[in-house]
Amino acid sequence: DAGVTQSPTHLIKTRGQQVTLRCSPKSGHDTVSWYQQALGQGPQFIFQYYEEEERQRGNFPDRFSGHQFPNYSSELNVNALLLGDSALYLCASSGGGQVIYGYTFGSGTRLTVV
Amino acid sequence: RKEVEQDPGPFNVPEGATVAFNCTYSNSASQSFFWYRQDCRKEPKLLMSVYSSGNEDGRFTAQLNRASQYISLLIRDSKLSDSATYLCVVNAGTYKYIFGTGTRLKVLA
Repeated sequence: DAGVTQSPTHLIKTRGQQVTLRCSPKSGHDTVSWYQQALGQGPQFIFQYYEEEERQRGNFPDRFSGHQFPNYSSELNVNALLLGDSALYLCASSGGGQVIYGYTFGSGTRLTVV
Repeated sequence: RKEVEQDPGPFNVPEGATVAFNCTYSNSASQSFFWYRQDCRKEPKLLMSVYSSGNEDGRFTAQLNRASQYISLLIRDSKLSDSATYLCVVNAGTYKYIFGTGTRLKVLA
């Protein structure tokens, strides 16, 4: 039973560039949430996708956008990268359209913006 | 006031000790609470949900105090392998889950 898979594991980008991160949820899960974790901080909620729609968003600018596909996988896109976007990006999946049983996290994508 | 607050620690305790962490939350309407464990440079992993009546899983006990708006995690008989960062999570609305900054625990031999 595959857990949450994220790709790539590491990425280095230049300021102003755009990046796309990918996530496949755990088998049987239909809800995908994205979090940003800066060094020494807790994960910060970016947004959540369910039924291919963004249904909740955190305090992140419009440069952060996403998508969910019919197979429940998801992408996180960040445009016009800033140095401050350097962080670990975590994808979390849950089932039944809810999070009441907690998330399963992927191992993350570590993004470095130079 | 932050939505979810934790003492960042670190808590340095000897093996076999009992240690407790608290986590306060600001939204009195929150209904779902969790504790996660995160090892260095790894993803968070669900440790346990926190139920209104309190719950126990082996050496770990989680409790909820709605009146004072905090949850707690008690670890008994600490092991070296318990060294990690412990994150509390609280829902803010139906679909948004907020993490605390985490409490670092180091269990010393």
